[in-house]
Amino acid sequence: EVQLVESGGGLVQPGRSLRLSCTASGFTFGDYAVSWVRQAPGKGLEWVSFIRSKRYTGTTDYAASVQGRFSVSRDDSKSIAYLQMNSLKTEDTAVYYCTRARRVTSGGISYYFDFWGQGTLVTVSS
Amino acid sequence: EVVMTQSPATLSVSPGERATLSCRASQSVSTNLAWYQQKPGQAPRLLIYGASTRATDIPARFSGSGSGTEFTLTISSLQSEDFALYYCQQYNNWPPWTFGQGTRVDIK
Repeated sequence: EVQLVESGGGLVQPGRSLRLSCTASGFTFGDYAVSWVRQAPGKGLEWVSFIRSKRYTGTTDYAASVQGRFSVSRDDSKSIAYLQMNSLKTEDTAVYYCTRARRVTSGGISYYFDFWGQGTLVTVSS
Repeated sequence: EVVMTQSPATLSVSPGERATLSCRASQSVSTNLAWYQQKPGQAPRLLIYGASTRATDIPARFSGSGSGTEFTLTISSLQSEDFALYYCQQYNNWPPWTFGQGTRVDIK
């Protein structure tokens, strides 16, 4: 059974840092890309960051709203993905979901998010 | 950035009836379109990918259609467990991946 478990959320002051973890099981973690998606309280879904599998370069992408502040990485030996969040703002308050991203190659390369973790709440407040 | 627009915002349906949800993209996304269901306090769950392919273990009453800029999610006969929020998402022009604002299906 595919499982993704996020951890590391909590209450943090504006300007501080936090690192989220996503621990995967039930599949070969290194074969898949991982994406982070967040949901502010009572709001919709917002894509945050993406990291390819090492087979496909392991490179990363970020939403404009977090570019330069957030950094995503992975440790395939531990089946864990990380989201390092620096210079946090109140508008970063959200539930952060880790997702497995499945690669498709019809008409070009693309990825959709086939499994989601239960999420971890990050609250940025003084 | 591709803007995804869902309609209606809320759909009131009686159990056993059909529900039709719409999603429009600001530019063509081919068939690289997914639908997700989210229940209160839960993570989103993938229902449909490739605009019309049901994900694993998704009941046959869920169907997706469309291509280009116009997409539809149909729930043929609503069950009690289907009352939830539904999001469409494009994965054709990325990054960023973009979601619609959601359609809430509630009990009439």
